[in-house]
Amino acid sequence: ETAVFQTPNYHVTQVGNEVSFNCKQTLGHDTMYWYKQDSKKLLKIMFSYNNKQLIVNETVPRRFSPQSSDKAHLNLRIKSVEPEDSAVYLCASSRDWGGQDTQYFGPGTRLLVL
Amino acid sequence: KTQVEQSPQSLVVRQGENCVLQCNYSVTPDNHLRWFKQDTGKGLVSLTVLVDQKDKTSNGRYSATLDKDAKHSTLHITATLLDDTATYICVVGDRGSALGRLHFGAGTQLIVIP
Repeated sequence: ETAVFQTPNYHVTQVGNEVSFNCKQTLGHDTMYWYKQDSKKLLKIMFSYNNKQLIVNETVPRRFSPQSSDKAHLNLRIKSVEPEDSAVYLCASSRDWGGQDTQYFGPGTRLLVL
Repeated sequence: KTQVEQSPQSLVVRQGENCVLQCNYSVTPDNHLRWFKQDTGKGLVSLTVLVDQKDKTSNGRYSATLDKDAKHSTLHITATLLDDTATYICVVGDRGSALGRLHFGAGTQLIVIP
């Protein structure tokens, strides 16, 4: 049963445009994450967000930024997309952060930059 | 350098057969290891988590082992079904706290044929 929702499912855009992806979780979790999954299926953490505290993976380009209105929502904004941003972006949530808490994933947003 | 290596990269089995997926890692410290299933076009779903130095878990037709001395884990799938077709991802957590990082393998693609 889906409890982490992502929109849109797919997005095709051109280099230099701004895009925004939405993520909502209905599990009452305190922590949310954004991952990037490349063509080889490898996931890389981009952001972790808990009680308004943000942890950023230092390798994430500055054009990426998370946006949160409350603990159930964590959106991802890309200011000026580049071709290497083409990937699947997965949102996840967990009860607490780090450790052995299970992360629940959304279905992903597939971005294609032309 | 990849710290979590999964083998084989892909595997084809007939429905009803058993299969074994391997995960070797160099992550230190290794607090816990989790196996995820990712259906095509979907998010990740946790199958099991292993914590102890030598651990075994069972979840229906899925069973897993962990040997932290060898930094090695296996995922066994018994009596495979067509719905088992998916990518199986091994993830190693280096701590049990908010300071922890998750290290993802690239996955094993399992295809179950009739």
